[in-house]
Amino acid sequence: GAVVSQHPSWVICKSGTSVKIECRSLDFQATTMFWYRQFPKQSLMLMATSNEGSKATYEQGVEKDKFLINHASLTLSTLTVTSAHPEDSSFYICSASPLAGVYNEQFFGPGTRLTVL
Amino acid sequence: GDSVTQMEGPVTLSEEAFLTINCTYTATGYPSLFWYVQYPGEGLQLLLKATKADDKGSNKGFEATYRKETTSFHLEKGSVQVSDSAVYFCALSGRSGGSNYKLTFGKGTLLTVNP
Repeated sequence: GAVVSQHPSWVICKSGTSVKIECRSLDFQATTMFWYRQFPKQSLMLMATSNEGSKATYEQGVEKDKFLINHASLTLSTLTVTSAHPEDSSFYICSASPLAGVYNEQFFGPGTRLTVL
Repeated sequence: GDSVTQMEGPVTLSEEAFLTINCTYTATGYPSLFWYVQYPGEGLQLLLKATKADDKGSNKGFEATYRKETTSFHLEKGSVQVSDSAVYFCALSGRSGGSNYKLTFGKGTLLTVNP
């Protein structure tokens, strides 16, 4: 089946530093990738949708300058948390869809646990 | 906006017991409905889906029927196994503006099946 990987699986950083999380589709080309955030015992909240080669579309309330998303190739999207603070600590999950602009099954990565000290 | 409400967990059952996890939704239009499962240490996997009213999704012994009149999509399995222990998420697909669709998830229900 379609496999999506994320790296790193967990990261600890100091407040004020930036952290980059990678999301890769390993055996298919992903024209659309999604980034979610999950707090403990809460649902996944969509942060942004990115289409390869174009700017990401952010959900209301998500700071574009704080959560930088790059989808430069059909197999890789990155999420950079800039100037991270403890409130950014969370579980970040990406998913990838092989069809552009239309819903299809999303294949999810295993997630990245970010802890900001 | 769209929302999904699913029963609070955790749910603990003995092997071969009957499982029901309730899920109701609020959405405009006619969304597609999904159940995802997340096994420990793994990403979410699509378990089953239904794209229109009265459709029944099924997979691995799990079933759910799209009930438009009650805006529900309850997950059921007649006889659970230890290997079914996981977190189950109900979700719906709705438009996110333009031609993009997005998934709206419930909070997830942790199921533990004991031998």
